Amino acid sequence: AQSVTQLDSQVPVFEEAPVELRCNYSSSVSVYLFWYVQYPNQGLQLLLKYLSGSTLVESINGFEAEFNKSQTSFHLRKPSVHISDTAEYFCAVSTTSGTYKYIFGTGTRLKVLA
Amino acid sequence: EPEVTQTPSHQVTQMGQEVILRCVPISNHLYFYWYRQILGQKVEFLVSFYNNEISEKSEIFDDQFSVERPDGSNFTLKIRSTKLEDSAMYFCASSQDRSRPVEQYFGPGTRLTVT
Repeated sequence: AQSVTQLDSQVPVFEEAPVELRCNYSSSVSVYLFWYVQYPNQGLQLLLKYLSGSTLVESINGFEAEFNKSQTSFHLRKPSVHISDTAEYFCAVSTTSGTYKYIFGTGTRLKVLA
Repeated sequence: EPEVTQTPSHQVTQMGQEVILRCVPISNHLYFYWYRQILGQKVEFLVSFYNNEISEKSEIFDDQFSVERPDGSNFTLKIRSTKLEDSAMYFCASSQDRSRPVEQYFGPGTRLTVT
């Protein structure tokens, strides 16, 4: 079975400061890794994913995440946040075969302060 | 850009009543999912559906739950006799095909309130 841990339930950060949202996973088999973002009163939007290849993946809005197999981590980073990045961020894993269901972490609420 | 839609956005029902939550997945997608998020908790997998049958279900998905794809576009989740603890946000998701099954597209969710 797989599990995902997001240790930080809330992360306040000032605008234009860097941020890191932590995600660790546990699995006995290979997994795919995802970050989803949920803005207030909206659904889940895919931010970025790691399926294979380069361990550093980037999104179009400046976020990046690095897959670290030895540390079983997939931390999300942004060098300079904006007010509009305020949202809930969910890390998720899926198996690489079968039903590909997602196992989500508990989420991290990023609050960007002016 | 195609998107997953869900109706209603908010459903209020009394304990013991049946509810049907509706989803329209993206049209060429083949895998369908339901997840739920109890307020303040994480998103949890309920069920996956492929080729007109359930491919996997969680322990949450007991006999009170059922899913159906009644036509070529809708995907429904039925709760036969709702309980207070069924109050949650329910998300529908779909993904494309065997070559790209992992990227799931989520709908905006239906907030179910059981009183």
